[in-house]
Amino acid sequence: AQSVAQPEDQVNVAEGNPLTVKCTYSVSGNPYLFWYVQYPNRGLQFLLKYITGDNLVKGSYGFEAEFNKSQTSFHLKKPSALVSDSALYFCAGNDYKLSFGAGTTVTVRA
Amino acid sequence: DTAVSQTPKYLVTQMGNDKSIKCEQNLGHDTMYWYKQDSKKFLKIMFSYNNKELIINETVPNRFSPKSPDKAHLNLHINSLELGDSAVYFCASSQTMGGQTDTQYFGPGTRLTVL
Repeated sequence: AQSVAQPEDQVNVAEGNPLTVKCTYSVSGNPYLFWYVQYPNRGLQFLLKYITGDNLVKGSYGFEAEFNKSQTSFHLKKPSALVSDSALYFCAGNDYKLSFGAGTTVTVRA
Repeated sequence: DTAVSQTPKYLVTQMGNDKSIKCEQNLGHDTMYWYKQDSKKFLKIMFSYNNKELIINETVPNRFSPKSPDKAHLNLHINSLELGDSAVYFCASSQTMGGQTDTQYFGPGTRLTVL
């Protein structure tokens, strides 16, 4: 079974600063991890996923995520945040069905 | 063209009514899903269908009945609506079933409000 946790309900950063959204996972086999973003009143948009291979995964809109096996983490990062990145971010594990974390609300202030 | 579409976008109805939400995907995917997002934004899978066959049914009341007329469509019918059914319902699709590496693509959601 796979489960993920997002330890922060909210993340606030200033525009231009680095953005990190945290995710930890617990799996009994190989981890298959995903990040999605939900803009207000919109559906979920896929950002990136980790399957195997490189620990640094690059995704859409300038986001990347670092898989860390020893820390069982899969944190989402963006070097320079934009106001338009303000949204709800979900980490998910796929154990034949997506199991989502509780979500992290990101607010980027101008 | 929208990859995964849902209708209606908003649905307001009275308790006890029966309603349906429709979903269509034009990605040629084999598997479709229904998720429920509650008022606290928690997302949880309800059902999945692979090529018109029910694969996952997550402890959902039997008032909820998915129907898949073909692999491009997955509709959700809800009988005897209750206040607790108020939520946003998302449809999604993926290439294959049992593909832990497959990306699921989501529709825009249907906001159901039961009065």
